[in-house]
Parts: sequence; C-alpha cells; structure tokens
Amino acid sequence: GAVVSQHPSRVICKSGTSVKIECRSLDFQATTMFWYRQFPKKSLMLMATSNEGSKATYEQGVEKDKFLINHASLTLSTLTVTSAHPEDSSFYICSARGTSGTYEQYFGPGTRLTVT
Amino acid sequence: AQSVTQPDIHITVSEGASLELRCNYSYGATPYLFWYVQSPGQGLQLLLKYFSGDTLVQGIKGFEAEFKRSQSSFNLRKPSVHWSDAAEYFCAVGAGNQFYFGTGTSLTVIP
Repeated sequence: GAVVSQHPSRVICKSGTSVKIECRSLDFQATTMFWYRQFPKKSLMLMATSNEGSKATYEQGVEKDKFLINHASLTLSTLTVTSAHPEDSSFYICSARGTSGTYEQYFGPGTRLTVT
Repeated sequence: AQSVTQPDIHITVSEGASLELRCNYSYGATPYLFWYVQSPGQGLQLLLKYFSGDTLVQGIKGFEAEFKRSQSSFNLRKPSVHWSDAAEYFCAVGAGNQFYFGTGTSLTVIP
C-alpha cells in the first residue's frame, strides 16, 4: 500500500512553454502533498505544501506564479511550471501524507524536467 | 530551527565490509526519523523509520538504525555491504507538518 505515482516521468519542453506534472496517491487519501525539487547530487528542497481544497503554502524563495500547485482532490496534486526556462530544469519529486498522523510521507518516483 | 546533518558527503566501502552512515538532528521534541535510499534518476525508497519504542529499528535490505536521544543521532548501519547498495542515502526528520532532509551521503561500493 501507500503508492504514489507521478506523470510524466520525463518531459522535455521548450523555453517559454508550460508543463504540468501530476502526483497521485493510488491507494490512500492524501490530505497533504508536498513538492520537492532536487538539483544534481543535492538533497531535496521543499518547494511547497498543499492541502486538499486550499491554497498551497510556498517556501521562501519559491515563486508562486511560476510554480502553480493545485490539490483539487484527495488523490491528486498538480505542479505546473509556467513559462519554463532552462534554469527550471530539475528533478521534481512529490510526496503525499495520509491521515495517520505519523508524519510519514510516501514519495513518488520523480519527474525529470528538461527545458531547452 | 530544525536541521539534519549528514557529516559524510561520500563514503567508499569494500563489498562485504560493514557500513555506518551518520545522521544528527536538531529538534526540540522527539522527532520522527527516517532513512531513505535513492538510486540515480529514481525516487526515494524508505529503508526504515523510528517513531517511538525500541531505539534499534530494523529496515529493509538488511539495514538497521539506532536512535540515540543523548547524541541526537540516528545512524544507519549494515553489517555486510553489497554492490547493489551503492546509492545516495538521505536521513530525514519529520517535525510539525514537514520533513527536513539531510544533504545526503553518496555510497560507493568497490569489489
């Protein structure tokens, strides 16, 4: 149980376009989902926390208008990178937390975004 | 503020040798502690976790970790490393609504 999927696993887009990444909890309801960014050979950097039905909470330094997060249901959160630029190229990982209250997060397999 | 420190950026061990990866945390209360492993280009796989109770926890793939409150540590160990253990290892603390990750330790296994 506790499986989180991400789609797509890899995406290449042109500079100036937008790309959407989906994060789904497949076998549990996720009241809270998290989006992380990971640079090569670096740790995970929390970008934002989203709760179902409410606005996401962004970490300091993360542009809200550039990284749009929607958590419309208990099993789906989306991250849209708007007007992507090459510096947005990165590995994006989502995680989901259920209702058990143990702070455990279940991680998706990640999405490799390359902006050309 | 909460923080997680993994002092060793890179460790190299011989196959069959024992392994210990260090993790220290800073948090005012008893934290929830996790170790994850990440292979190149992959997501994070949970190795083990500590919430409460026995301070020595067993995980998958033969890994174990010991929570030492007095040292604010949660070191990961494996008695005999396999070549397939080569990967990046992350220690994490669950506190409040968030996870705090260490900077990771890259493990190389030599034959």
